Amino acid sequence: NAGVTQTPKFRVLKTGQSMTLLCAQDMNHEYMYWYRQDPGMGLRLIHYSVGEGTTAKGEVPDGYNVSRLKKQNFLLGLESAAPSQTSVYFCASKFGLAKNIQYFGAGTRLSVL
Amino acid sequence: DQQVKQNSPSLSVQEGRISILNCDYTNSMFDYFLWYKKYPAEGPTFLISISSIKDKNEDGRFTVFLNKSAKHLSLHIVPSQPGDSAVYFCAASVQTGANNLFFGTGTRLTVIP
Repeated sequence: NAGVTQTPKFRVLKTGQSMTLLCAQDMNHEYMYWYRQDPGMGLRLIHYSVGEGTTAKGEVPDGYNVSRLKKQNFLLGLESAAPSQTSVYFCASKFGLAKNIQYFGAGTRLSVL
Repeated sequence: DQQVKQNSPSLSVQEGRISILNCDYTNSMFDYFLWYKKYPAEGPTFLISISSIKDKNEDGRFTVFLNKSAKHLSLHIVPSQPGDSAVYFCAASVQTGANNLFFGTGTRLTVIP
């Protein structure tokens, strides 16, 4: 019962470096999401996908790109990391429109120095 | 602009007593509300939800109350147990369109044995 798996769990980057966070779900969910959680800010939506090959911007999309080439995977990319992107990143997925319960991964803690 | 607000960052309760966590929202279009529970180093997990056509939903020790006129919901935990110590997030959505979740900033509940 893997559910939603995020890779890596921790990462330290230098300003200007790039990286990709991987989210994989084995529940055959159509919808996938990337959030960031900062102290005192709750979870904020970065990008989301309503199906394979589709992506859309959320509340805080600047500085990030995403791709959903396969239904089970949702990638979050940082092309040129900035200290303001230091955060905990969560991926989530849900089956479809009918039930709005999202299932979350364990998170990726990213520090940008 | 925060559409979902949890004004109490923390709450401490004695074991066996009632815990009441509060949440306010500003968008009158929200029609589905959820509570998530989060332990350290884990992702949020779904706890309980309520549709705007109801004013109460109960699941074991957990009850969510919705007051649409006041744009307020609350989560009651009775009786509180030490294992309930976690951060609780309130979330809201509109059940049409993208159906995205908007999260509050969270309340850290500590249940004292």
